[in-house]
Amino acid sequence: AQSVTQPDIHITVSEGASLELRCNYSYGATPYLFWYVQSPGQGLQLLLKYFSGDTLVQGIKGFEAEFKRSQSSFNLRKPSVHWSDAAEYFCAVGALESGGSNYKLTFGKGTLLTVNP
Amino acid sequence: DAMVIQNPRYQVTQFGKPVTLSCSQTLNHNVMYWYQQKSSQAPKLLFHYYDKDFNNEADTPDNFQSRRPNTSFCFLDIRSPGLGDAAMYLCATSRADWVGRPETQYFGPGTRLLVL
Repeated sequence: AQSVTQPDIHITVSEGASLELRCNYSYGATPYLFWYVQSPGQGLQLLLKYFSGDTLVQGIKGFEAEFKRSQSSFNLRKPSVHWSDAAEYFCAVGALESGGSNYKLTFGKGTLLTVNP
Repeated sequence: DAMVIQNPRYQVTQFGKPVTLSCSQTLNHNVMYWYQQKSSQAPKLLFHYYDKDFNNEADTPDNFQSRRPNTSFCFLDIRSPGLGDAAMYLCATSRADWVGRPETQYFGPGTRLLVL
């Protein structure tokens, strides 16, 4: 079965600093990869996704992510963080269940981002 | 704008009193999902509809049911809510392509359920 690991539970950065959130996945084939952001009390908003093609993906709000097959990683980056970026970030992998026909989205446990002024 | 709408945003119910949460979408997507998210945890898939076909997760309690009367609407029914069912409930939709592989899931704002 597929799995997603976000090693950092909580990250604090200063406003204007660069950001990298780590995500590693486990899946036998090329998965669909996503980053979502969730502000307190809100639903999940899609930041970006990777299905195929260029391994560097641009998303909304100035975020980008790079798919590295050799490292099974899909890290999220932003060159300069804004206070409004403070939120929880979820990496997710979309793939078929082992031996099944159901498509599932498996989430990591999330990384909480705090931005200091 | 096309979107996923959830009503109500906040729901308070009593222990054991049935409650229904609503989700509607204007995206005309053929797949609809219900997730449960507890505080500081990742969303957990409860079940999904692929068109009219209902797909239940193996570990979803029988206390949770769902209905999809048409493409646009999907309901989550909790027959006898317990204190442990207090959570955020997220609805999501996606469009499955011709080989049955869904694409991006789009989420609603969620319904926060409180059980007294």
